[in-house]
Amino acid sequence: QSALTQPASVSGSPGQSITISCTGTSSDVGGYHAVSWFQQHAGKAPELLIFDVVFRPSGVSDRFSGSRSGNTASLTISGLQAEDEADYYCSSYIASSTLSVFGTGTKVTVL
Amino acid sequence: EVQLVQSGAEVKKPGESLKISCKGSGYSFSNYWIAWVRQMPGKGLEFMGIIYPDDSNIVYSPSFQGQVTISADKSISIAYLQWSSLKASDTAMYYCARRYGRNFDFWGRGTLVTVSS
Repeated sequence: QSALTQPASVSGSPGQSITISCTGTSSDVGGYHAVSWFQQHAGKAPELLIFDVVFRPSGVSDRFSGSRSGNTASLTISGLQAEDEADYYCSSYIASSTLSVFGTGTKVTVL
Repeated sequence: EVQLVQSGAEVKKPGESLKISCKGSGYSFSNYWIAWVRQMPGKGLEFMGIIYPDDSNIVYSPSFQGQVTISADKSISIAYLQWSSLKASDTAMYYCARRYGRNFDFWGRGTLVTVSS
């Protein structure tokens, strides 16, 4: 199972919006309503930002939003803040298996 | 409060064996899948495999099949990841994560495994 494809880096200025893409196949991203996004600050464990493509867990800022079109999911961060500087990973459940797959990861830099 | 508490950092030599743990609390441990995830230094997250503690149903990612062993003891709410013969390339941070539905909602803080002669 190949990793989902994400851009290596995305940057933006405070207050701007940025979007991170996550491209897979019809067997993962496009096959189930089960794409998640995680934020990982340096030296910390990943934290869930978005689940089932569009839902935010309790406590996650509404500046984070998810969407999907075909085999590509996206994470949008609105009103970019310095604290958003981190690595971001998508993941997807794999159709017809119990397995999951992660994206290659995107480093977000706040300019 | 859901918590996954992982065992402490390990330093091992090539060829040695190792078993690290992940203890769940604050929820019904038996009824949620627990996954293991590798993160090599400076690299991304890799799904290794997953176990359902209630019946110890285990599924390995093809990349890790035969390289590690996943197990669980539901009586004490602990999942394990073990190696029979470590290699330098096993040096990494290892996370456990609970799967709720088809998403990983809670993560442990990670166990750093260093393999060096």
